[in-house]
Amino acid sequence: DAGITQSPRHKVTETGTPVTLRCHQTENHRYMYWYRQDPGHGLRLIHYSYGVKDTDKGEVSDGYSVSRSKTEDFLLTLESATSSQTSVYFCAISDEDTEAFFGQGTRLTVV
Amino acid sequence: LAKTTQPISMDSYEGQEVNITCSHNNIATNDYITWYQQFPSQGPRFIIQGYKTKVTNEVASLFIPADRKSSTLSLPRVSLSDTAVYYCLVGVWGTDKLIFGTGTRLQVFP
Repeated sequence: DAGITQSPRHKVTETGTPVTLRCHQTENHRYMYWYRQDPGHGLRLIHYSYGVKDTDKGEVSDGYSVSRSKTEDFLLTLESATSSQTSVYFCAISDEDTEAFFGQGTRLTVV
Repeated sequence: LAKTTQPISMDSYEGQEVNITCSHNNIATNDYITWYQQFPSQGPRFIIQGYKTKVTNEVASLFIPADRKSSTLSLPRVSLSDTAVYYCLVGVWGTDKLIFGTGTRLQVFP
């Protein structure tokens, strides 16, 4: 399996609190992505990164911010968590001319 | 961004061949077609990727007609463990913001 680790794997947090999810890779891949998946839906792109300090918005970026200060880490932050952000979050990595590899996901519950 | 359309669900029995078709009418010249498999509580897993004609690996075959406006994932002799959701994506990882559709939920019965 590709060297991609998401942390934490599970988290319960209260509405209004900040939350940061971490994606760590050991593959030195250039591109990293954050998706969310809700019951009955496919994966929706939140943000992605095409290099250190280079990020762009996906289709559902409102309420989320990201940072990538080094190649191996891509952080997703919910500045003030809301119940609508309860979801499973997946990180993915890819490189030039390769497919993407996905992490095992982080299940976030906002109560 | 090329949008894809797939059947929402399919049923099959063990040992049968399953073909899942994906429509992508506005595919761009540089786009590749990639299929992923996802089991419950897991991240999607790469199955196969192609550009044109036919691609085969140890898991599946991918058929792409000359106009590339559709593609068909073929799973030979499915087993119960092939029960999963299958996603078709069109684009180039790293270049495009690849968007997943709702996928096809395949249920294999004994």
